[in-house]
Order: sequence, then C-alpha cells, then structure tokens
Amino acid sequence: EIVMTQSPATLSVSPGERATLSCRASQSVSSSLAWYQQKPGQAPRLLIYGASTRATGIPARFSGSGSGTDFTLTINSLQSEDFAVYYCQHYSNWPRTFGQGTKVEIK
Amino acid sequence: QVQLVESGGGVVQPGRTLRLSCVGSGFTFNTYTIHWVRQTPGRGLEWVAVISSDGSNEYYADSVKGRFTISRDNSKNALYLQMNSLKREDTALYYCARSRVGATAFDYWGQGTLVTVSS
Repeated sequence: EIVMTQSPATLSVSPGERATLSCRASQSVSSSLAWYQQKPGQAPRLLIYGASTRATGIPARFSGSGSGTDFTLTINSLQSEDFAVYYCQHYSNWPRTFGQGTKVEIK
Repeated sequence: QVQLVESGGGVVQPGRTLRLSCVGSGFTFNTYTIHWVRQTPGRGLEWVAVISSDGSNEYYADSVKGRFTISRDNSKNALYLQMNSLKREDTALYYCARSRVGATAFDYWGQGTLVTVSS
C-alpha cells in the first residue's frame, strides 16, 4: 500500500496570501495524484487531477505540481471560501489511499 | 446535474449486517466506475471498495475484504455495499464517489450516510 503523507497538518494563512501544501508518496505514483477540498459538513470536492490539471470550475488560483513522489498544491491569494481541509490521493494502483489532510485556517 | 445520493446508514450492533445504497442521476451511470469511501475523525478518508462500470470487477481494502461486498444494478442506476460482520471500527461516514474508467480521480461524491456500530 502506498502511504501518502501531507505537511503541514495545519497552515495558518492570512486572506490574500499564498498557501503551499505538500504531499509525499511512499513510492512513485507518476502523475496519478489528485487534490480534494473539504469544508465542514460537506463531501470532498475534486480540485486537481493528474497532479496539475484543474477540475471543471476550479479557479485559476489553485495550481498543482510535482510527479513521482513529491507534490505541491498552491493556492494564490487565498479567499475566505478557501479555508478548508485539503487531501491528496493517489490513483496509480489499488488500494487508492489518501493523505491525512492539511487544514488551512485563517491567521 | 450530477448527483449521487447515499442511504441505508444507521446504528447497528457489532457482528450484524447493514446494506448501503447509492443512486446516481444526471449522468450515464453505466459508464462510470463507482467507489465507496469512508471517513472518520481519527482515520481520515479511507477508500473501501470499487466496482467497474459493468460490474465485472471489484476491489476491496484489506480492512473490509471478506466482510463487505460491493455490487451495482445499472438498470436502477444503483450501487450497493453489503456490510457483514460489522466491527466498531467500521463506524464512519460512508460516501459513494464516481470516477471515469481507468486510473482516474473521484470527480463527484455523494453527501454520505452515517454508519454507527455500537452495542
């Protein structure tokens, strides 16, 4: 099983600033990496797939990068609606596994 | 619009059974792979099981293998999860989520149904 490790666990950011979230896989997942956003009481929402492709309707301030084992989600100019928990997930083989999440909170 | 709606959750005693359902609408159900994913505060998001678009292939997490069975009825746009020999650690919010055929991300999720295993 591929273990996905996210850092940091919590990120305190002021509105308008940039947030940089990291995700590391225990072995290469190539570009089979997705990022999800989850707000309280809601289901996860797909933000990024293929490590760097924004899903339909996702604003351009969200960007993903990386391949192999190291990945980054960058949120530029944080808006109030971006404060949430973010998860990475690989889909290169079975079982699909998720990181433990990074909570982006208001500083 | 795409919708996935789960049902069937509830409180059940350890060792008992429960069947979850997920109904899809707003898309061609029989062309998508569908997954069950569960979430707990302590263990986060855990992928549980998957079934191929035509129902011919299934995969399970080791934690549920031999106890849970995933199935689908494409004539009803429905997905099921038969949960047997339930354990306290199966307590979670269970989501169904779809993905395109192949190695792809989960592009739509339902709102979840809560399963509580407790005596």
